[in-house]
Amino acid sequence: RKEVEQDPGPFNVPEGATVAFNCTYSNSASQSFFWYRQDCRKEPKLLMSVYSSGNEDGRFTAQLNRASQYISLLIRDSKLSDSATYLCVVNPPSGTYKYIFGTGTRLKVLA
Amino acid sequence: DVKVTQSSRYLVKRTGEKVFLECVQDMDHENMFWYRQDPGLGLRLIYFSYDVKMKEKGDIPEGYSVSREKKERFSLILESASTNQTSMYLCASTGGGETQYFGPGTRLTVL
Repeated sequence: RKEVEQDPGPFNVPEGATVAFNCTYSNSASQSFFWYRQDCRKEPKLLMSVYSSGNEDGRFTAQLNRASQYISLLIRDSKLSDSATYLCVVNPPSGTYKYIFGTGTRLKVLA
Repeated sequence: DVKVTQSSRYLVKRTGEKVFLECVQDMDHENMFWYRQDPGLGLRLIYFSYDVKMKEKGDIPEGYSVSREKKERFSLILESASTNQTSMYLCASTGGGETQYFGPGTRLTVL
């Protein structure tokens, strides 16, 4: 089993739709969780951290389910500009900054 | 604004050549990372450094070495380039928090 797994997609959704991605992780002792966004041929950029209680940033909501070992990202009212690959990132509790990246979920928002 | 720069966006080298990839960050970050990104495999950690002259192996260090003589600069060295090292190389840095700031990447082709 991969340490961090994501559905590669692509998820093709119309503008204005709500879309959700999940990411599962294998190490139950993992401490920190993040969603990064990567545009085509660009570097990844932090979208949001994921907190235990869940957190929201505008149209984006991130949640953590420790019991089932997954994190989720919900995007409401999708925009064309949301088209990108979304990377799930997990920091295991080793304390050595060995972040583990998922392979990403590709989102295409269609006009 | 944090800025991470990489010496080249595109690089073409021949098998057996020694290759230097340089990364510079301007935010006085302690931690710096080198990843490679390949389709279907995501980002994989090659090496990271938590201080000047300190380094730690990541998941795929074979065939690579690193150098960190100054806090702002982290170099990745391919001692003898091989075709299976054709990839996108991404440098990142973090300060006190866990947000990773990435450089624009170097797309290396080894012929």
